[in-house]
Amino acid sequence: GDSVTQMEGPVTLSEEAFLTINCTYTATGYPSLFWYVQYPGEGLQLLLKATKADDKGSNKGFEATYRKETTSFHLEKGSVQVSDSAVYFCALSERWIQGAQKLVFGQGTRLTINP
Amino acid sequence: GAGVSQSPSNKVTEKGKDVELRCDPISGHTALYWYRQSLGQGLEFLIYFQGNSAPDKSGLPSDRFSAERTGGSVSTLTIQRTQQEDSAVYLCASSPFGGQGDTQYFGPGTRLTVL
Repeated sequence: GDSVTQMEGPVTLSEEAFLTINCTYTATGYPSLFWYVQYPGEGLQLLLKATKADDKGSNKGFEATYRKETTSFHLEKGSVQVSDSAVYFCALSERWIQGAQKLVFGQGTRLTINP
Repeated sequence: GAGVSQSPSNKVTEKGKDVELRCDPISGHTALYWYRQSLGQGLEFLIYFQGNSAPDKSGLPSDRFSAERTGGSVSTLTIQRTQQEDSAVYLCASSPFGGQGDTQYFGPGTRLTVL
């Protein structure tokens, strides 16, 4: 079945460092790809998404490019801030027969940014 | 506008009791999803609704779990004869149409603890 593999955490960086969180996927078709973020004490919220190969999603300085050839969707940010400390989830969705979609999540990566 | 809301936010119950968890999706969203977030299993899909029907129940872990949606809006997840392994955060999400690239908007979750 479909699956998502994320870089294991926790990840600890200093403020203004460059961030990469790796994400690779396995899917039978052409999924849409997402990064969700869970800030401390808050619910899951969409960070960015890409719906087809070579698309780049971006938001709040974060970027990720849908790479079909490497089945990857790595999350990057050029200069992280303390406020970026959170748990990040990579996810995919793929169409089902009934037109339904469900999200398949990676295990999550906890990111801590120190001042 | 209002986001997805869930109640209760926390529920503590004794093993063997039944519990009901409620989800109010974003108004007008036709698709509704239930997920479970636990330490051992990460984020898992449970069930999907399109309107009032549930074309995908593949994630329900046992026949003790059931869900319904009425009026194309509110949904209730019921767990009968709760077990300790049911302890988790139960998340509800909704999306406008249930399409492959649709963003799913998550509620804050209900934390269930089975003693």
